[in-house]
Parts: sequence; C-alpha cells; structure tokens
Amino acid sequence: QMQLQESGPGLVKPSETLPLTCTVSGGSISTSSFYWGWIRQPPGKGLEWIGTTHYSGSPYYNPSLTGRVTISVDTSKNQFSLKLSSVTAADTAVYYCARSGHRDGFWNYYGMDVWGQGTTVTVSS
Amino acid sequence: DIQMTQSPSSLSASVGDRVTITCRASQSIGNYLNWYQQKPGKAPNLLIYAASNLQSGLPSRFSGSGSGTEFTLTVNSLQPEDFATYFCQQSYIPPLTFGGGTKVEIK
Repeated sequence: QMQLQESGPGLVKPSETLPLTCTVSGGSISTSSFYWGWIRQPPGKGLEWIGTTHYSGSPYYNPSLTGRVTISVDTSKNQFSLKLSSVTAADTAVYYCARSGHRDGFWNYYGMDVWGQGTTVTVSS
Repeated sequence: DIQMTQSPSSLSASVGDRVTITCRASQSIGNYLNWYQQKPGKAPNLLIYAASNLQSGLPSRFSGSGSGTEFTLTVNSLQPEDFATYFCQQSYIPPLTFGGGTKVEIK
C-alpha cells in the first residue's frame, strides 16, 4: 500500500522560500501510472490546488502561484518537492501531497486517491 | 478558471437520513468531477471519481451522479462516521478547482 509523507519547516519568515518534500513509500515514484501533486488548505478554509508533476514530464502549476512555485521529482530518493518563494501570511496553511491517477490524457481522471497526512506551515516573523 | 459551487454550505441531519449535496460548475466539465470527504485534522479522502464511480473499498451508501455542470453526492442512511465536510473537485481543465465544501453536522 503506497503511502505519502510530507516534511519541511513548520515556520517560515515572510519573503523567504518554503521548501517541502513528499516521500513516497510502498511503491515507486517512477511509474507512468501516477501523477504527484501538492494541495493546501488555509486554516478554516477550503482546498487549493498548487501543482502537479510526473516523474518524466513537466509540472503544471496553478496560475495564481506561477512565478513563485516550483515542483520537482527526485527519483533516486523516491521523493517530490515543492518550493514556494516570497511567502506571506496568506501562504499559511496545511500543505498536502497527493497521488493522482490518469486516463486518456486527463492526469487527475481517477482523482487524488492517496494523500499524505499534511504538514502545517505558518508564515510569521 | 472553472468555478465550483457547492450547496448547501452546511446541513444538519440525523443518523439514518438520506443526504444530497449539489455541486455546480461554471462551465461544462463532462464527467470530470471527484468527491472527497474530510474529517477535522485529517487529509481529504477520495469518495467518488469521474462523477459516479465509487472508490474501491468504500461503502455503497455513497453515490454520485451528474454530468456537464450539475452533480450530486448522495449518502443513503447516514452513519455516525459520515459526519464530516465534503468537497467536489473538477479535473477537466487546470487549474484543478474545488468547491467550497459542505459540512454535514449531527442534528
């Protein structure tokens, strides 16, 4: 059974870069079957998709974050990562990584079926 | 971006009730619609994918229907463990977008 686990700093200062890592266990990230993504949830609010990538392809980003977000894959460590630059208090949220199954070119056709437990990130000086 | 609007934003129900949640898309998304359940302090859990397909291992009291711009999630015979917040999410065109959520509370 595949599992995902987020890791990273719980506190980041304004204007700095937030680095998060998602470690995949119980299976390989280097599979054509799945895409790997990041989603966040500000306190008491709804879900916001950040971006999604494939081990052999280019990532897709939410245009609302374009220019600040980078998602990459490290197949040697079976991990994928998120970097969010120039953070502000509005970036305070629980950050989740998740797996998506694709079909017919729709990389989220089967939904996000495996999630990490989430990691809380606070942006504050 | 495709806007996803859920209604109601909250509801109160009793164990054994049938509950229906609606999700409307700002443009047609075919059947590219997923439903999630989220409990406090936990990650979302996929319930339904592609509008009407029950995720493996989940009870059959959960069902989804709809296509185009209007979708519904139905929970038949609500159980104590079903009190949670439910989100819809479109997977038709990036950016992926979620509905605002429907909180199902105990009456």
